[in-house]
Amino acid sequence: KAGVTQTPRYLIKTRGQQVTLSCSPISGHRSVSWYQQTPGQGLQFLFEYFSETQRNKGNFPGRFSGRQFSNSRSEMNVSTLELGDSALYLCASGPSTGRSYNEQFFGPGTRLTVL
Amino acid sequence: AQSVAQPEDQVNVAEGNPLTVKCTYSVSGNPYLFWYVQYPNRGLQFLLKYITGDNLVKGSYGFEAEFNKSQTSFHLKKPSALVSDSALYFCAVWTGANNLFFGTGTRLTVIP
Repeated sequence: KAGVTQTPRYLIKTRGQQVTLSCSPISGHRSVSWYQQTPGQGLQFLFEYFSETQRNKGNFPGRFSGRQFSNSRSEMNVSTLELGDSALYLCASGPSTGRSYNEQFFGPGTRLTVL
Repeated sequence: AQSVAQPEDQVNVAEGNPLTVKCTYSVSGNPYLFWYVQYPNRGLQFLLKYITGDNLVKGSYGFEAEFNKSQTSFHLKKPSALVSDSALYFCAVWTGANNLFFGTGTRLTVIP
Protein backbone atom coordinates (compact mmCIF):
# COMPACT_ATOMS: atom_id res chain seq x y z
CA LYS A 1 0.00 0.00 0.00
CA ALA A 2 1.15 3.50 -0.70
CA GLY A 3 1.77 5.62 2.36
CA VAL A 4 0.31 8.95 3.32
CA THR A 5 1.13 11.60 0.75
CA GLN A 6 1.19 15.33 1.28
CA THR A 7 1.40 18.07 -1.30
CA PRO A 8 3.15 20.33 -1.75
CA ARG A 9 6.25 19.38 0.21
CA TYR A 10 7.50 22.94 0.46
CA LEU A 11 5.67 26.22 0.28
CA ILE A 12 6.66 29.85 0.69
CA LYS A 13 4.00 32.49 1.30
CA THR A 14 3.90 36.06 2.56
CA ARG A 15 2.03 37.46 5.53
CA GLY A 16 -1.65 37.97 4.91
CA GLN A 17 -1.95 35.36 2.19
CA GLN A 18 -3.82 32.12 2.56
CA VAL A 19 -2.63 28.60 1.87
CA THR A 20 -4.15 25.19 1.23
CA LEU A 21 -2.34 21.96 2.00
CA SER A 22 -3.42 18.56 0.79
CA CYS A 23 -3.23 15.10 2.32
CA SER A 24 -4.07 11.75 0.73
CA PRO A 25 -4.45 9.00 3.34
CA ILE A 26 -3.54 5.37 3.03
CA SER A 27 -6.12 3.53 0.95
CA GLY A 28 -8.98 2.40 3.16
CA HIS A 29 -8.22 4.82 5.98
CA ARG A 30 -11.11 7.09 6.85
CA SER A 31 -9.56 9.17 9.61
CA VAL A 32 -7.21 12.03 8.81
CA SER A 33 -5.52 14.15 11.47
CA TRP A 34 -3.39 17.26 11.11
CA TYR A 35 -0.54 18.35 13.35
CA GLN A 36 1.65 21.45 13.42
CA GLN A 37 5.32 21.11 14.32
CA THR A 38 7.36 24.15 15.32
CA PRO A 39 10.65 24.43 17.22
CA GLY A 40 8.99 26.43 19.99
CA GLN A 41 5.70 24.61 20.48
CA GLY A 42 6.64 21.13 19.33
CA LEU A 43 3.99 18.89 17.82
CA GLN A 44 0.45 20.09 18.33
CA PHE A 45 -2.84 18.58 17.21
CA LEU A 46 -4.89 20.73 14.86
CA PHE A 47 -7.97 18.67 13.98
CA GLU A 48 -9.22 15.28 12.92
CA TYR A 49 -11.68 14.37 10.20
CA PHE A 50 -13.65 11.18 9.81
CA SER A 51 -16.20 10.50 7.10
CA GLU A 52 -16.11 14.13 5.94
CA THR A 53 -16.88 15.45 9.45
CA GLN A 54 -14.57 17.21 11.84
CA ARG A 55 -14.54 14.92 14.83
CA ASN A 56 -12.02 16.66 17.08
CA LYS A 57 -10.28 20.02 17.17
CA GLY A 58 -7.18 21.29 18.91
CA ASN A 59 -6.59 24.71 20.36
CA PHE A 60 -5.90 26.78 17.24
CA PRO A 61 -7.56 29.99 16.00
CA GLY A 62 -10.32 29.95 13.44
CA ARG A 63 -7.83 30.90 10.70
CA PHE A 64 -7.00 27.20 10.61
CA SER A 65 -9.66 25.12 8.95
CA GLY A 66 -9.96 21.89 7.10
CA ARG A 67 -12.22 19.58 5.23
CA GLN A 68 -12.40 16.01 4.07
CA PHE A 69 -13.75 14.71 0.82
CA SER A 70 -15.74 11.57 0.13
CA ASN A 71 -12.56 9.75 -0.94
CA SER A 72 -11.05 10.58 2.49
CA ARG A 73 -8.55 13.04 1.05
CA SER A 74 -8.23 16.06 3.26
CA GLU A 75 -7.23 19.67 2.85
CA MET A 76 -6.10 22.14 5.45
CA ASN A 77 -6.45 25.88 4.95
CA VAL A 78 -4.77 28.70 6.79
CA SER A 79 -6.03 32.20 6.09
CA THR A 80 -4.36 35.54 6.81
CA LEU A 81 -0.98 33.95 7.33
CA GLU A 82 1.25 35.13 10.16
CA LEU A 83 4.98 34.69 10.59
CA GLY A 84 4.29 32.28 13.44
CA ASP A 85 2.47 29.93 11.10
CA SER A 86 5.80 28.88 9.64
CA ALA A 87 5.98 25.21 10.52
CA LEU A 88 6.03 21.66 9.33
CA TYR A 89 2.45 20.50 8.89
CA LEU A 90 2.02 16.77 9.29
CA CYS A 91 -0.92 14.72 8.23
CA ALA A 92 -1.70 11.30 9.69
CA SER A 93 -4.23 8.75 8.57
CA GLY A 94 -5.75 5.93 10.53
CA PRO A 95 -8.19 3.10 10.00
CA SER A 96 -10.39 4.16 12.92
CA THR A 97 -11.62 0.61 13.39
CA GLY A 98 -13.54 1.35 16.57
CA ARG A 99 -10.82 0.27 18.99
CA SER A 100 -10.14 2.71 21.74
CA TYR A 101 -7.16 4.07 19.90
CA ASN A 102 -6.61 4.79 16.24
CA GLU A 103 -3.20 3.82 14.87
CA GLN A 104 -1.75 6.77 13.05
CA PHE A 105 0.51 6.73 10.02
CA PHE A 106 2.26 9.98 9.20
CA GLY A 107 3.05 11.61 5.91
CA PRO A 108 6.34 13.41 5.16
CA GLY A 109 4.84 16.82 5.92
CA THR A 110 4.54 20.15 4.18
CA ARG A 111 7.12 22.73 5.17
CA LEU A 112 5.41 26.15 5.15
CA THR A 113 7.53 29.28 5.35
CA VAL A 114 5.79 32.62 5.85
CA LEU A 115 7.84 35.70 4.94
CA ALA B 1 -5.89 15.06 30.72
CA GLN B 2 -3.37 12.75 29.13
CA SER B 3 0.16 14.05 28.73
CA VAL B 4 3.77 12.96 28.43
CA ALA B 5 7.04 14.65 29.26
CA GLN B 6 10.52 14.18 27.90
CA PRO B 7 12.93 15.65 30.43
CA GLU B 8 15.97 15.71 28.16
CA ASP B 9 16.24 17.91 25.08
CA GLN B 10 19.48 16.27 24.01
CA VAL B 11 21.09 12.89 24.62
CA ASN B 12 24.59 12.04 23.44
CA VAL B 13 25.90 8.51 23.41
CA ALA B 14 28.94 6.81 21.93
CA GLU B 15 28.43 4.33 19.13
CA GLY B 16 28.13 0.81 20.50
CA ASN B 17 26.99 1.95 23.94
CA PRO B 18 23.47 1.40 25.24
CA LEU B 19 21.09 4.32 24.88
CA THR B 20 18.08 5.47 26.87
CA VAL B 21 15.64 8.21 25.97
CA LYS B 22 13.34 9.08 28.84
CA CYS B 23 9.60 9.62 28.89
CA THR B 24 7.16 10.00 31.77
CA TYR B 25 3.42 10.05 31.45
CA SER B 26 0.40 11.40 33.25
CA VAL B 27 -2.87 9.71 32.34
CA SER B 28 -6.16 8.70 33.81
CA GLY B 29 -6.97 5.09 33.17
CA ASN B 30 -4.84 2.78 31.08
CA PRO B 31 -2.27 4.58 28.97
CA TYR B 32 -1.70 3.95 25.30
CA LEU B 33 1.92 5.01 24.76
CA PHE B 34 3.97 5.38 21.62
CA TRP B 35 7.46 6.21 20.42
CA TYR B 36 8.09 7.87 17.08
CA VAL B 37 11.34 8.89 15.38
CA GLN B 38 11.88 11.77 12.98
CA TYR B 39 14.82 12.05 10.63
CA PRO B 40 15.73 15.39 9.00
CA ASN B 41 13.12 16.58 6.50
CA ARG B 42 10.99 13.53 7.11
CA GLY B 43 7.71 12.81 8.79
CA LEU B 44 7.28 10.70 11.88
CA GLN B 45 8.08 7.02 11.78
CA PHE B 46 6.44 4.64 14.24
CA LEU B 47 8.85 2.72 16.46
CA LEU B 48 6.72 0.91 19.02
CA LYS B 49 3.62 1.08 21.19
CA TYR B 50 2.36 -0.11 24.54
CA ILE B 51 -1.31 -0.92 24.80
CA THR B 52 -1.57 -3.82 27.24
CA GLY B 53 0.40 -6.92 28.06
CA ASP B 54 4.13 -7.30 28.64
CA ASN B 55 5.81 -4.29 30.13
CA LEU B 56 8.78 -4.72 27.78
CA VAL B 57 7.79 -3.77 24.27
CA LYS B 58 10.01 -4.52 21.29
CA GLY B 59 9.87 -2.34 18.23
CA SER B 60 11.55 -1.47 14.98
CA TYR B 61 15.31 -1.13 14.38
CA GLY B 62 16.24 -2.94 17.61
CA PHE B 63 14.53 -0.46 19.90
CA GLU B 64 12.53 -1.47 22.94
CA ALA B 65 10.69 0.35 25.70
CA GLU B 66 9.77 -0.56 29.23
CA PHE B 67 6.42 0.43 30.67
CA ASN B 68 6.76 1.11 34.38
CA LYS B 69 3.45 1.82 36.06
CA SER B 70 4.84 2.65 39.50
CA GLN B 71 7.25 5.21 38.06
CA THR B 72 4.85 6.32 35.30
CA SER B 73 7.65 5.98 32.80
CA PHE B 74 8.03 4.61 29.30
CA HIS B 75 11.73 4.92 28.49
CA LEU B 76 13.07 4.02 25.06
CA LYS B 77 16.16 1.82 24.99
CA LYS B 78 18.58 0.15 22.65
CA PRO B 79 21.44 -2.13 23.72
CA SER B 80 23.96 -0.85 21.18
CA ALA B 81 23.63 2.55 19.50
CA LEU B 82 24.36 3.15 15.84
CA VAL B 83 25.36 6.44 14.24
CA SER B 84 22.28 6.06 12.03
CA ASP B 85 20.09 6.20 15.17
CA SER B 86 20.85 9.92 15.43
CA ALA B 87 17.46 11.61 15.08
CA LEU B 88 14.64 13.33 16.97
CA TYR B 89 12.58 11.01 19.17
CA PHE B 90 9.06 11.68 20.36
CA CYS B 91 7.09 9.97 23.06
CA ALA B 92 3.31 10.23 22.70
CA VAL B 93 0.12 9.23 24.47
CA TRP B 94 -3.27 8.58 22.93
CA THR B 95 -5.76 11.09 24.30
CA GLY B 96 -9.47 10.77 24.84
CA ALA B 97 -9.99 13.25 22.01
CA ASN B 98 -8.85 10.77 19.40
CA ASN B 99 -5.41 12.22 18.83
CA LEU B 100 -1.83 11.92 20.01
CA PHE B 101 -0.31 14.21 22.62
CA PHE B 102 3.41 14.43 21.95
CA GLY B 103 6.30 15.15 24.24
CA THR B 104 8.69 17.95 23.34
CA GLY B 105 11.14 15.59 21.70
CA THR B 106 14.66 14.44 22.48
CA ARG B 107 17.47 14.85 20.01
CA LEU B 108 19.70 11.79 20.08
CA THR B 109 23.23 12.10 18.79
CA VAL B 110 25.34 8.98 18.47
CA ILE B 111 29.01 9.83 18.38
CA PRO B 112 31.25 7.64 16.20
